[in-house]
Amino acid sequence: NAGVTQTPKFQVLKTGQSMTLQCAQDMNHNSMYWYRQDPGMGLRLIYYSASEGTTDKGEVPNGYNVSRLNKREFSLRLESAAPSQTSVYFCATIRTLRDSPLHFGNGTRLTVT
Amino acid sequence: SQQGEEDPQALSIQEGENATMNCSYKTSINNLQWYRQNSGRGLVHLILIRSNEREKHSGRLRVTLDTSKKSSSLLITASRAADTASYFCATVLSGGSYIPTFGRGTSLIVHP
Repeated sequence: NAGVTQTPKFQVLKTGQSMTLQCAQDMNHNSMYWYRQDPGMGLRLIYYSASEGTTDKGEVPNGYNVSRLNKREFSLRLESAAPSQTSVYFCATIRTLRDSPLHFGNGTRLTVT
Repeated sequence: SQQGEEDPQALSIQEGENATMNCSYKTSINNLQWYRQNSGRGLVHLILIRSNEREKHSGRLRVTLDTSKKSSSLLITASRAADTASYFCATVLSGGSYIPTFGRGTSLIVHP
């Protein structure tokens, strides 16, 4: 039972390159989230998907796009990477919106040079 | 913007001592959650406390919630070196989209 799986674990991009971060869950949770974590900033929400077929912006969506491919998978795309997007990206899922905790993947560490 | 803010930012103690971390928030919540993050790993959920609850326990962890003061505390009793990690509180606001919003965290170091 893997829980929440993120790929890749590490990535280095040059400014202007694009890439997609993948997230897959086997917990049968409806809601999925993408957060970024920067030193001293805690976690900030980029996008979320409350259920299959829906996506919404979070606190810091600029420069990102998302796709909820099916109930299991939620991908995050950087179309034209910038150094400001150097961060650790976490995918998380939640069973029910109202009173359930988040379940996190182990993160993707992205460096944009 | 952070809804919850942890205090202190950093805490260094000896094994066997108790560790207390606090979280303050600004607006009414549905629930408050505490997470632990070991270096290089994702966050792991510790305890969720609802707005109508005042205290919850899990093993050596005790969480209190004071909605009148808009604050929560996490107490780790008899700390171990393995408790070394960052600890985050996350608040879920009443109404709205029920999305957990995180503070900046407390870095705890427990010396053997």
